[in-house]
Amino acid sequence: KNEVEQSPQNLTAQEGEFITINCSYSVGISALHWLQQHPGGGIVSLFMLSSGKKKHGRLIATINIQEKHSSLHITASHPRDSAVYICAVGRDSNYQLIWGAGTKLIIKP
Amino acid sequence: EAQVTQNPRYLITVTGKKLTVTCSQNMNHEYMSWYRQDPGLGLRQIYYSMNVEVTDKGDVPEGYKVSRKEKRNFPLILESPSPNQTSLYFCASSSGSYYNPYNEQFFGPGTRLTVL
Repeated sequence: KNEVEQSPQNLTAQEGEFITINCSYSVGISALHWLQQHPGGGIVSLFMLSSGKKKHGRLIATINIQEKHSSLHITASHPRDSAVYICAVGRDSNYQLIWGAGTKLIIKP
Repeated sequence: EAQVTQNPRYLITVTGKKLTVTCSQNMNHEYMSWYRQDPGLGLRQIYYSMNVEVTDKGDVPEGYKVSRKEKRNFPLILESPSPNQTSLYFCASSSGSYYNPYNEQFFGPGTRLTVL
């Protein structure tokens, strides 16, 4: 079993829909990251969080440390949100990041 | 502009011909790392460096070397490339320290390597 699991693997939605991507992990962590990989390949950090909730524009990230689960929400989705969203956790026992396999999101106009 | 640069962006080479992919950051970050990305496997860490002269293996270090002689540079060396090293490679840096490496990650644009 992978230490970081993302769901769904693929998600197609209509413009304007509320999007939720989930990330579950099985190790002790010091931080969790959400990143976005554009169709052209570039990777951009969206959030880093160790507790609670963060919001940036239409993006919201939450984490529940007790349940070892995080969610990334996109409100009023737009075709430009189409990308792969990746969850990564910083293991608290060493200095490596463990990466989820990513969720490919397609927003149709 | 704060950035991580990688060169070359694209490289086609042949088995056994040594190559180096350069990575440089201008943000004075201590933590740098190399990843490879393959279809269906996501990002896998090759090596990371907590600071100058301090490097450690990631999940898939076999066939790769790194060095960290200066804070800004972290080159990836393939001494004898093989076809299974055909992949998309990313360099990343963050402002994390030895005790907290997990600050925001900044990624280079990627290097697409093909080994024939």
